[in-house]
Amino acid sequence: AQSVTQLGSHVSVSEGALVLLRCNYSSSVPPYLFWYVQYPNQGLQLLLKYTSAATLVKGINGFEAEFKKSETSFHLTKPSAHMSDAAEYFCAVRRGSGGSNYKLTFGKGTLLTVNP
Amino acid sequence: ETGVTQSPTHLIKTRGQQVTLRCSSQSGHNTVSWYQQALGQGPQFIFQYYREEENGRGNFPPRFSGLQFPNYSSELNVNALELDDSALYLCASSPGLAEGETQYFGPGTRLLVL
Repeated sequence: AQSVTQLGSHVSVSEGALVLLRCNYSSSVPPYLFWYVQYPNQGLQLLLKYTSAATLVKGINGFEAEFKKSETSFHLTKPSAHMSDAAEYFCAVRRGSGGSNYKLTFGKGTLLTVNP
Repeated sequence: ETGVTQSPTHLIKTRGQQVTLRCSSQSGHNTVSWYQQALGQGPQFIFQYYREEENGRGNFPPRFSGLQFPNYSSELNVNALELDDSALYLCASSPGLAEGETQYFGPGTRLLVL
């Protein structure tokens, strides 16, 4: 079975500062990994995904994530935070079990606040 | 291109009642997944439909049931509502079953059970 751990339920940064949101996964097979963002009272929007093509994945809005197999991590970063980045961020892993179930398994989320 | 839409946006029910939530998948998508997101938690997988057949199910009781129609839209039905069913219900569609496929989420239906 696969699982996802997001370290830090709440991260606060200043505008212009580096954003680092941590995600560790466990999977018995190579995973597919996703980062989604959820703005208040909205659904989930895909930021980026890892599908084994490249370990450094670039996404929308200046975000990127690096897949590190040795550390079982897929941390999300952005060099300079903007006020509009304030939202909740979810890391998710997807891998079929028995070849018949392709669900996403989500972490509990990290709420990012950006201070002016 | 129209994205995933869900209706209604909000719903209030009382314990024991039944509810039906609806989802229209994105054009060209034949797979729909439903998730429950309790307050302060990540989404939890309920079930997935592929070409009108249930393709997988999470750890939810049988009173959670679903349908997918020939146009690939979908319904989630919950019978005998309980207080703990209060949550945001998210629908996601994807072009197929491949594990690398992106699931595109709708805005959700917020259900409150009193």
